[in-house]
Amino acid sequence: ELKVEQNPLFLSMQEGKNYTIYCNYSTTSDRLYWYRQDPGKSLESLFVLLSNGAVKQEGRLMASLDTKARLSTLHITAAVHDLSATYFCAVVYSGGSNYKLTFGKGTLLTVNP
Amino acid sequence: EAQVTQNPRYLITVTGKKLTVTCSQNMNHEYMSWYRQDPGLGLRQIYYSMNVEVTDKGDVPEGYKVSRKEKRNFPLILESPSPNQTSLYFCASSLGGTVNSPLHFGNGTRLTVT
Repeated sequence: ELKVEQNPLFLSMQEGKNYTIYCNYSTTSDRLYWYRQDPGKSLESLFVLLSNGAVKQEGRLMASLDTKARLSTLHITAAVHDLSATYFCAVVYSGGSNYKLTFGKGTLLTVNP
Repeated sequence: EAQVTQNPRYLITVTGKKLTVTCSQNMNHEYMSWYRQDPGLGLRQIYYSMNVEVTDKGDVPEGYKVSRKEKRNFPLILESPSPNQTSLYFCASSLGGTVNSPLHFGNGTRLTVT
């Protein structure tokens, strides 16, 4: 069974600071996604990471994937209040011909002025 | 507009009364899936479908049924709802059956079972 662990689960940051959210998973996978969820809203796709060493950047967010370490990181640079949200990583598990997508529990990010 | 549409958005029902939450996508996606979101537990997959007439259990399938008779629709059926199924439900779809592109999510259905 695939397990996906995110750390930290809660993160309170000051504006302008940098921080990293970690996503560890327990079995082999080469597909990982990052999503953002604002309070009371649906999930929005941020990044698609499809191979070892993949790095994607959008604005103040950068995501990377290390399939050998089974680790993805979401790095926040110079945080701003608008980044306050819950961030989820999700990992695709391929068991033969089936493709399940398992989410981490999410990281609630609060950026304070 | 490309979208995943869930209905209803809010539903209050009583224990044991069968209900269906509909999900429809207009993007010709092969993969569709249902999740429930509970505080502190993140999103947990209930069922998924890699194509028409192909469905499989996710991590928490007990108490739920699905069907995929058409590519665009993937309804979630609760034959005999119980209070522990009170949750926020999301339907999502992805272009390929192997989930090699991101999921597009519906707006969610908040279900309360009393």
